[in-house]
Amino acid sequence: DSGVTQTPKHLITATGQRVTLRCSPRSGDLSVYWYQQSLDQGLQFLIQYYNGEERAKGNILERFSAQQFPDLHSELNLSSLELGDSALYFCASSVAASGRDTQYFGPGTRLTVL
Amino acid sequence: QQQVKQSPQSLIVQKGGISIINCAYENTAFDYFPWYQQFPGKGPALLIAIRPDVSEKKEGRFTISFNKSAKQFSLHIMDSQPGDSATYFCAAVADFGNEKLTFGTGTRLTIIP
Repeated sequence: DSGVTQTPKHLITATGQRVTLRCSPRSGDLSVYWYQQSLDQGLQFLIQYYNGEERAKGNILERFSAQQFPDLHSELNLSSLELGDSALYFCASSVAASGRDTQYFGPGTRLTVL
Repeated sequence: QQQVKQSPQSLIVQKGGISIINCAYENTAFDYFPWYQQFPGKGPALLIAIRPDVSEKKEGRFTISFNKSAKQFSLHIMDSQPGDSATYFCAAVADFGNEKLTFGTGTRLTIIP
């Protein structure tokens, strides 16, 4: 158990809908990262927050947005969902902001868009 | 554009054998190379990592070999065990700017008895 929690574990929704994925980092970790894992694209970095502020951005679509709250939990919002958004979404946390800090991954949220 | 190329995509090794997974990169700004292990239904977990100032790092049965001039690095699993069956991802981090992890495409390793 990495200490990172993600909810929900599974999510099934329809095209055009909006969903929110939630992540609670390990106690003491200030950075939260979001990744998308699909069969054909592997693990893709989406976005990083550090202590409430956006720190780095990856291949995140404009339909997706995230935020980190004062209690350091984070939410990833996916809107106008398309079939191709079906994937595993992982949250990871680390103690600081450097890419060299060990990232601890949560169990993931499996999103299925029908 | 895949900045870290990983091979093979899948690998079957007999118990007790050596598993070898290779990665190559182009970006010379990469200066930290971790390997992550992912079991089915779980998130990836850091296995071992190396910086380019050393050519090899060993932790138990796991060894990273690094060739800076060739821009290649590899993971060797000695005395492979069925419990090592998992997907392995190499990754790289640049030394400045956007310090995000860039992952390889993954290798599904199966150890057969």
